[in-house]
Amino acid sequence: ETGVTQTPRHLVMGMTNKKSLKCEQHLGHNAMYWYKQSAKKPLELMFVYNFKEQTENNSVPSRFSPECPNSSHLFLHLHTLQPEDSALYLCASSGGTEVVETQYFGPGTRLLVL
Amino acid sequence: AQSVTQPDIHITVSEGASLELRCNYSYGATPYLFWYVQSPGQGLQLLLKYFSGDTLVQGIKGFEAEFKRSQSSFNLRKPSVHWSDAAEYFCAVGGTSGTYKYIFGTGTRLKVLA
Repeated sequence: ETGVTQTPRHLVMGMTNKKSLKCEQHLGHNAMYWYKQSAKKPLELMFVYNFKEQTENNSVPSRFSPECPNSSHLFLHLHTLQPEDSALYLCASSGGTEVVETQYFGPGTRLLVL
Repeated sequence: AQSVTQPDIHITVSEGASLELRCNYSYGATPYLFWYVQSPGQGLQLLLKYFSGDTLVQGIKGFEAEFKRSQSSFNLRKPSVHWSDAAEYFCAVGGTSGTYKYIFGTGTRLKVLA
């Protein structure tokens, strides 16, 4: 498989559930990102990892917990979410041999919190 | 402050008509500029990018964009729109290597009339 993949594509969870989103990139990149895209709001950067180290946390609530075991995989662990956390969660990666740091996105996970 | 402005929230054009989507940026250094397209329920797909050289850049799907430093603009154009171009378009500005954060515009939703 090529590019950036995300699983699951759709997720419905209750506020007391624990779930995880998975992202995998097959591009040889070193940086990975989590974004949140809500209706009628700009794309929000949540976390950035570079060579497995977290380099950015944009004041994201602790109910979102990222994990980056290696440069190809990124997880977002979810627990005790709120209905306002319902959104499209996008993963992206960048790096490799490109001259310009270009982010490539996965298809997203559509999350609904009930 | 760094920012990206897409002044048009919605644009409607007829199939076969020309298209121009506006993007203005505010960035202290030489920007790297990107246009992405997002179909409903999908991730963001890179259309084109600019970082130096020829100010008119060609992208995929017949799109082009022109960088105008004096106007701080990076407008996206297509001479003849197809119904499949209906989507949301995002302009983004990124920094030089080592800065991983992009600043995204709020998007322009394109509707194409048959």
